[in-house]
Amino acid sequence: KQEVTQIPAALSVPEGENLVLNCSFTDSAIYNLQWFRQDPGKGLTSLLLIQSSQREQTSGRLNASLDKSSGRSTLYIAASQPGDSATYLCAVSDSGGSNYKLTFGKGTLLTVNP
Amino acid sequence: SQTIHQWPATLVQPVGSPLSLECTVEGTSNPNLYWYRQAAGRGLQLLFYSVGIGQISSEVPQNLSASRPQDRQFILSSKKLLLSDSGFYLCASGQQETQYFGPGTRLLVL
Repeated sequence: KQEVTQIPAALSVPEGENLVLNCSFTDSAIYNLQWFRQDPGKGLTSLLLIQSSQREQTSGRLNASLDKSSGRSTLYIAASQPGDSATYLCAVSDSGGSNYKLTFGKGTLLTVNP
Repeated sequence: SQTIHQWPATLVQPVGSPLSLECTVEGTSNPNLYWYRQAAGRGLQLLFYSVGIGQISSEVPQNLSASRPQDRQFILSSKKLLLSDSGFYLCASGQQETQYFGPGTRLLVL
């Protein structure tokens, strides 16, 4: 059974700092990995999707890397802003089938202080 | 892109009462549909998914059920709620590997 772990559970940084969020998964036979953002009491917004054959994806100040063999991914946020404060969730989709089920980590609660 | 509607936004129900949460999707056809629950201190847990009308797969044993009466409508139900059913319920719609999430329903069972 796939398990996804995110470290740290919470992170507080001053504005402008670069930061890294970590995600690990137990079964390396994944189809893809996604990073989501969740604001308090809201739904999820997809940030980046990395296919299993890819090593990284970039969108603006966000960069996600994937090391499938070691079961790890990182989300790098450059020049953090107070608006980046949210919970960041990592999710993996297992190989095969057409259902594209996702297994989520518990998330990292990020607070960026002005 | 797709738009996911969920209602109600918030619900407070007594133990033993029935439940019906509705999710509708705009902007796509024949999507995969998913119900997730996010409970305090726990990650997002997949409850049900559907790859087509009338096709429901359950991921965890529980007193909840799901139905898909129309292509873009997904309903989560219970005949008798338990305290442990409290949580934040999210509906998602997927086209291949991309999933779009609704705003969620916060359920409190007292």
